[in-house]
Amino acid sequence: QITLRESGPALLRPRQTLTLTCNFSGFSFTTSGMGVGWTRQPPGKALEWLAVIYWNDATYYNPSLRQRLSITKDTSNSQVILTLTSMEPSDTATYFCTHRRGSGRLDSWGPGTLVTVSS
Amino acid sequence: QTVVTQEPALTVSPGGTVTLTCASSTGEVTTAFYSNWFQQKPGQPPRALIYSSFNRHSWTPARFSGSLVGGKAVLTVSGVQPEDEADYYCLLYYVDSYFWVFGGGTKLTVL
Repeated sequence: QITLRESGPALLRPRQTLTLTCNFSGFSFTTSGMGVGWTRQPPGKALEWLAVIYWNDATYYNPSLRQRLSITKDTSNSQVILTLTSMEPSDTATYFCTHRRGSGRLDSWGPGTLVTVSS
Repeated sequence: QTVVTQEPALTVSPGGTVTLTCASSTGEVTTAFYSNWFQQKPGQPPRALIYSSFNRHSWTPARFSGSLVGGKAVLTVSGVQPEDEADYYCLLYYVDSYFWVFGGGTKLTVL
């Protein structure tokens, strides 16, 4: 069974950098096709895809946020880390960690973590 | 900017059938978009229903089916149950640019 859990700060000030960690289990990141990504959802709004990293270190980003985003993995500790720089109140959202198999299949979600940006 | 469009809201009676659509601003949605569908209930993370246009996950009830119709990705719910009341999101893959885009979501009311 695949499990994912997000962790990180609940509150940030404007212009700070967000660092989120996804701890996962139930699959091997050395297996071809495996990927872990991030999606966010502002309160009461739609989902927004952010980024994904694959078993072979390939990374892909939302073009509208590319300049602010970075995704890395620590396979030995079963973690994927997302950073988002220059946070603004509009970045307030629940951030979800997700599991992928290849390009076509997103099958598991973490419970999400709410990040609020406010001065 | 690429936009994925879904019906904002739909209403269906229990036992009925409803179709939700997912359109791309770039044109026809094909199998190359690997459309995925998700169900989200209040206060919960989304749950995956359909992947690669047609395929159910092992936990997806058989009343949910995915297809491609008229240049759009379609999610059909047959024999709707009260517990199907939720928000539904589609996700499309843009292979030329290696990114994914969610639709704006459809709020399904069972009434």
